[in-house]
Amino acid sequence: QKEVEQDPGPLSVPEGAIVSLNCTYSNSAFQYFMWYRQYSRKGPELLMYTYSSGNKEDGRFTAQVDKSSKYISLFIRDSQPSDSATYLCAMSGRGSSNTGKLIFGQGTTLQVKP
Amino acid sequence: DAGVIQSPRHEVTEMGQEVTLRCKPISGHNSLFWYRQTMMRGLELLIYFNNNVPIDDSGMPEDRFSAKMPNASFSTLKIQPSEPRDSAVYFCASSPGLNTDTQYFGPGTRLTVL
Repeated sequence: QKEVEQDPGPLSVPEGAIVSLNCTYSNSAFQYFMWYRQYSRKGPELLMYTYSSGNKEDGRFTAQVDKSSKYISLFIRDSQPSDSATYLCAMSGRGSSNTGKLIFGQGTTLQVKP
Repeated sequence: DAGVIQSPRHEVTEMGQEVTLRCKPISGHNSLFWYRQTMMRGLELLIYFNNNVPIDDSGMPEDRFSAKMPNASFSTLKIQPSEPRDSAVYFCASSPGLNTDTQYFGPGTRLTVL
């Protein structure tokens, strides 16, 4: 079993829809949770960063972390064609064995149709 | 400021040949990461350095892979001899340090081994 599980999709939605992307994980040591966005033939770029449980909002994007369920989500409101990309969740813990090391999900490919 | 710079952007080679990928991290960043991305396995961490010293190379698949960081502004990933299953996109990323989780990715090198 992988440490981080993410449905690769693809996910296709109409413009304006609310998008929900999710990851589950097995390592309870993870404390820092990130979402990266990767456009086709580009490197991943950091989109959202959260620590421990709770919500964080940034414009049309909301990241949620539920540590009790080992489940994280990214919501995109009023989705736009420019949101079409692959979204990767990533997480890390603290401690001498994994300091600075990110574990990535497989990535979910999202297509927003005009 | 320039981001992470990788070269070459594309590399096509024949099985058995030596391949060298290059990376210049963001100036002032102390940590450097090499990843490999494939459709089947997603984004995998190969090795990472802190202050030019290799910290964790447990992701390096075989002895055919080696990485060096001779100074703070340059790193190489070498594959010798290359095999068709090494075909992938190789990303370099840098971060200010291991106590920060934000990694900045380069554009990647798309490697094809025939």
